[in-house]
Amino acid sequence: QQPVQSPQAVILREGEDAVINCSSSKALYSVHWYRQKHGEAPVFLMILLKGGEQKGHEKISASFNEKKQQSSLYLTASQLSYSGTYFCGTESRGSQGNLIFGKGTKLSVKP
Amino acid sequence: DGGITQSPKYLFRKEGQNVTLSCEQNLNHDAMYWYRQDPGQGLRLIYYSQIVNDFQKGDIAEGYSVSREKKESFPLTVTSAQKNPTAFYLCASSISTGISNQPQHFGDGTRLSIL
Repeated sequence: QQPVQSPQAVILREGEDAVINCSSSKALYSVHWYRQKHGEAPVFLMILLKGGEQKGHEKISASFNEKKQQSSLYLTASQLSYSGTYFCGTESRGSQGNLIFGKGTKLSVKP
Repeated sequence: DGGITQSPKYLFRKEGQNVTLSCEQNLNHDAMYWYRQDPGQGLRLIYYSQIVNDFQKGDIAEGYSVSREKKESFPLTVTSAQKNPTAFYLCASSISTGISNQPQHFGDGTRLSIL
């Protein structure tokens, strides 16, 4: 039931791009993305509601393929502040409002 | 400023002891959640509450108990039955469950350790 995130970890240089994937075995109603700095609270990034929908937040965007039960988070021209662990939270039909989180992807951006 | 306040930030538990973690929100949210976070495991749902005086078990409720006597407050008790309580505990709230376009807002967490 827990969505699978890949990769588990990624190291970037400033300015490089990254893609984080989130796959579920269940039919999804929505996918939520959060970023967590070490020892801090997760911070909401965005929600993807419709199949094929793509949303953006500055240089961070995401897509949601409802048929494939997958979402991808795109980080372009990465900044040092992008470092942290990224979690996807999936919401399945019949359990709207409750999220199941993946294990996270640790992103490290180096100068 | 509106937000979620968790206390204490650090907590130590002796063997056989119950401890209570506090969670208060002033966002006027109906739904509140408790998650447990272990290294490399993501967030796992312990309990959630959609409305005052009502709550449901999540995926890992054994050894924990909650109450929801007020809309703003959702304390979590880690009982002596929870044999491996060492973890980072996060409280969250959202406007309501059953509405999928609403984000969850998190507190800063409580780190619980065994003495």
